[in-house]
Amino acid sequence: EDQVTQSPEALRLQEGESSSLNCSYTVSGLRGLFWYRQDPGKGPEFLFTLYSAGEEKEKERLKATLTKKESFLHITAPKPEDSATYLCAVQHLLSGAGSYQLTFGKGTKLSVIP
Amino acid sequence: EAQVTQNPRYLITVTGKKLTVTCSQNMNHEYMSWYRQDPGLGLRQIYYSMNVEVTDKGDVPEGYKVSRKEKRNFPLILESPSPNQTSLYFCASSSRQGRNQPQHFGDGTRLSIL
Repeated sequence: EDQVTQSPEALRLQEGESSSLNCSYTVSGLRGLFWYRQDPGKGPEFLFTLYSAGEEKEKERLKATLTKKESFLHITAPKPEDSATYLCAVQHLLSGAGSYQLTFGKGTKLSVIP
Repeated sequence: EAQVTQNPRYLITVTGKKLTVTCSQNMNHEYMSWYRQDPGLGLRQIYYSMNVEVTDKGDVPEGYKVSRKEKRNFPLILESPSPNQTSLYFCASSSRQGRNQPQHFGDGTRLSIL
């Protein structure tokens, strides 16, 4: 069964305390892995797309990396405004259908304390 | 401004009373999709459309209908809503499905079915 698992479910950090969020996946025919940020009462906001193992993308304090089985979202010296839920989504080949599907993880809720 | 617009943002209604949630995008995107987001379950796809007059079921299509008569609009119809359809709904669009393009999300519609 195609699965996307994010860990931890929730993470509390002190301002400036760097850490990483994990997204592990077991899918066939990976086309791309997406990271989104979701604020309360808002829709997910696109952050990064990663296509192949070894690829890295950076934006301000965030850096996303990809291996063959998982992706990490590294947060360096976070600030309170980085508090949000971070979602991982994997676009992959749908078994037997010949089409592609986007499967989301359940997210990691990040809280950064001043 | 490029955006996906959903209406209404909030709705409280009763079991069995037909309702429609509208979704419109101004980015000329071919692909549009509906998701529901529930605590502990994450985002799950209801229906998607790869282009005008082309729609297909996602993971949880039961109790929902969609139509795609125009490129910019993708309404979600609940013919006979039930309490288990109480949820937060998101519409999303992207330029091409299966081409590694990130989806852009609306700000959500919170439905309560009593």
